[in-house]
Amino acid sequence: DAGITQSPRHKVTETGTPVTLRCHQTENHRYMYWYRQDPGHGLRLIHYSYGVKDTDKGEVSDGYSVSRSKTEDFLLTLESATSSQTSVYFCAISETNSRALNTEAFFGQGTRLTVV
Amino acid sequence: GQQLNQSPQSMFIQEGEDVSMNCTSSSIFNTWLWYKQDPGEGPVLLIALYKAGELTSNGRLTAQFGITRKDSFLNISASIPSDVGIYFCAGPRAGNNRKLIWGLGTSLAVNP
Repeated sequence: DAGITQSPRHKVTETGTPVTLRCHQTENHRYMYWYRQDPGHGLRLIHYSYGVKDTDKGEVSDGYSVSRSKTEDFLLTLESATSSQTSVYFCAISETNSRALNTEAFFGQGTRLTVV
Repeated sequence: GQQLNQSPQSMFIQEGEDVSMNCTSSSIFNTWLWYKQDPGEGPVLLIALYKAGELTSNGRLTAQFGITRKDSFLNISASIPSDVGIYFCAGPRAGNNRKLIWGLGTSLAVNP
C-alpha cells in the first residue's frame, strides 16, 4: 500500500471555525491532491499540488485553501467551516510513470468531517 | 465539458455470476483508470489502460480501452462476496493530465 496518512480520520466542528486536515506521504511523490466525496457527486477535486509551494485550484475550491511547504505534507484548510462542507475528504498522491503520465493516483483512507 | 458516464449505477448479483460495467464520454481520453472503493476506505487502483483497444487483466478483472477512445469496459468473472463495493472509472482532463475526471461509480452487491 502507498504510504499515505490522513489526520484526523474523523472530526466534528462548529460552523464558522477554521479546520485543517493533514495529508502525509512517505512515497516522495510529486503530486498531491485533495478531493471531497459526497453522495451523488462522486469524487470532486478541491486543490492539488505539483511541487513544494506549487498549488492549483480544482473544481470546488471555494472556501478551501491549501499549503505544501514540504514534499511529504499537504494541508487542507477550511477557512470558516460551513455545513455544506460536511463530507468525506480524501488525499491522493501520484507520480509520473514510465509513460510520462501521472494519473495513477493512490488514495489515503479519508477524513470524515462533520460541520454542525 | 468532459464528463464520464458510468453504467449501470448499481448491480445486485449472485455469487459466481460475471459482471460487466462501462464508462463512456463524449470526449476522447488517452488513459482510462478503474478503481474500487470499499466502504470506509479510499479508492484503490485496479487497472490502468493507455492504448486504444488495449485489454488488460488483473486476476478475475478484465478491462478494455475502447477503440473509439470514448469508452472503457470492466468485467469481473465469477464474482465473490469481497467484490462488493463501488467501482469508479476515471481519466485525465484534456490538456491537463494532472487532473482526473471521475464517473459517479457503479455500486456492486453480491449475494452469497
